Amino acid sequence: EDKVVQSPLSLVVHEGDTVTLNCSYEVTNFRSLLWYKQEKKAPTFLFMLTSSGIEKKSGRLSSILDKKELFSILNITATQTGDSAIYLCAALNFNKFYFGSGTKLNVKP
Amino acid sequence: DGGITQSPKYLFRKEGQNVTLSCEQNLNHDAMYWYRQDPGQGLRLIYYSQIVNDFQKGDIAEGYSVSREKKESFPLTVTSAQKNPTAFYLCASSIRGETQYFGPGTRLLVL
Repeated sequence: EDKVVQSPLSLVVHEGDTVTLNCSYEVTNFRSLLWYKQEKKAPTFLFMLTSSGIEKKSGRLSSILDKKELFSILNITATQTGDSAIYLCAALNFNKFYFGSGTKLNVKP
Repeated sequence: DGGITQSPKYLFRKEGQNVTLSCEQNLNHDAMYWYRQDPGQGLRLIYYSQIVNDFQKGDIAEGYSVSREKKESFPLTVTSAQKNPTAFYLCASSIRGETQYFGPGTRLLVL
């Protein structure tokens, strides 16, 4: 059965901390791994990772994919209260996106 | 301005009533998707469509129906057979094999 598992389910940190969110997947005909940020509305796209070992960065966020071990991580450095959200990862095969249950991040001042 | 629109933003359903959620995109994407999200949960796939006049069931299709008569439109009907319809419904679209983009969502509540 195809599945995506995220950990931890929730996380509480203080501003300035660095966090690492995990996403493991078992998806047949895997093509890409995507990360989204969801506040109190629709998810917004962060990264799409297709190649193993190549880090993608956007400001304080970065992500990398390991296709041998079937996982990805999302790092957020110098966290801010605006980073508080649910972070979703999704694995894409030819037809479908398989979503994890998300990691709820709470950044306290 | 390209994007995905969903309407209405909030929808109230009475017992035994069918309701239809609208999803329109002007991104020229072939693929469209419907997801359901319950509080504190991830996204669960209801239906998806890769091409006009064709669609496939997702993981939780029971109690829902869709149509794809036009490339731009993928409406979702929540039928009376869906006994627990209260949720946040998200429509998405993508170029096949590429990044998926989401509409703003519809919150469905049961009266």
